[in-house]
Amino acid sequence: AQSVAQPEDQVNVAEGNPLTVKCTYSVSGNPYLFWYVQYPNRGLQFLLKYITGDNLVKGSYGFEAEFNKSQTSFHLKKPSALVSDSALYFCAVPNDYKLSFGAGTTVTVRA
Amino acid sequence: AAGVIQSPRHLIKEKRETATLKCYPIPRHDTVYWYQQGPGQDPQFLISFYEKMQSDKGSIPDRFSAQQFSDYHSELNMSSLELGDSALYFCASLRFGVGAATYEQYFGPGTRLTVT
Repeated sequence: AQSVAQPEDQVNVAEGNPLTVKCTYSVSGNPYLFWYVQYPNRGLQFLLKYITGDNLVKGSYGFEAEFNKSQTSFHLKKPSALVSDSALYFCAVPNDYKLSFGAGTTVTVRA
Repeated sequence: AAGVIQSPRHLIKEKRETATLKCYPIPRHDTVYWYQQGPGQDPQFLISFYEKMQSDKGSIPDRFSAQQFSDYHSELNMSSLELGDSALYFCASLRFGVGAATYEQYFGPGTRLTVT
């Protein structure tokens, strides 16, 4: 089965600093990878996806993710974090069309 | 753009009661997924439907059932509720196709179920 792992439960950064949320994957064949964000008491919002092609994927709200095949990673990045980016982030991979999520990483951006 | 609609947004039930959660997918989406997210946990797949037929089943208790109707909306019926059923229940929809578009699910805001 395809799976993803998020090694960090929490990430804390200061506003204006770069933000990285880590995700590693274990898939067979060509991976499809997703990032979702969940704000408090809200649903899951799609950020970006990797299909094939460019290893740097640009998404919503200034986020991007870098696909690295040799390291089996798909880290989410934002060059300059905002306080409003504080949320719960999930990496996900499809398993027979349903999504399997990582455990999630809580991002806190302090002013 | 139209999004996935879930109702109710919040629901409080007592143990052993029943609950019905509703999901209205994005127009022209033919596939619906249900996920359960417990406190501090990642969403777990429960069940899915494609063209009104069950397409996959995950860790859904026997006390739960679901169906997709002719207008593609779906309902999750939960009986004999237990305290452990307290969670955020998400519905997601997509239009089944080919390639990566098949996997990109659009999530509703969720229904928060509290069992007391």
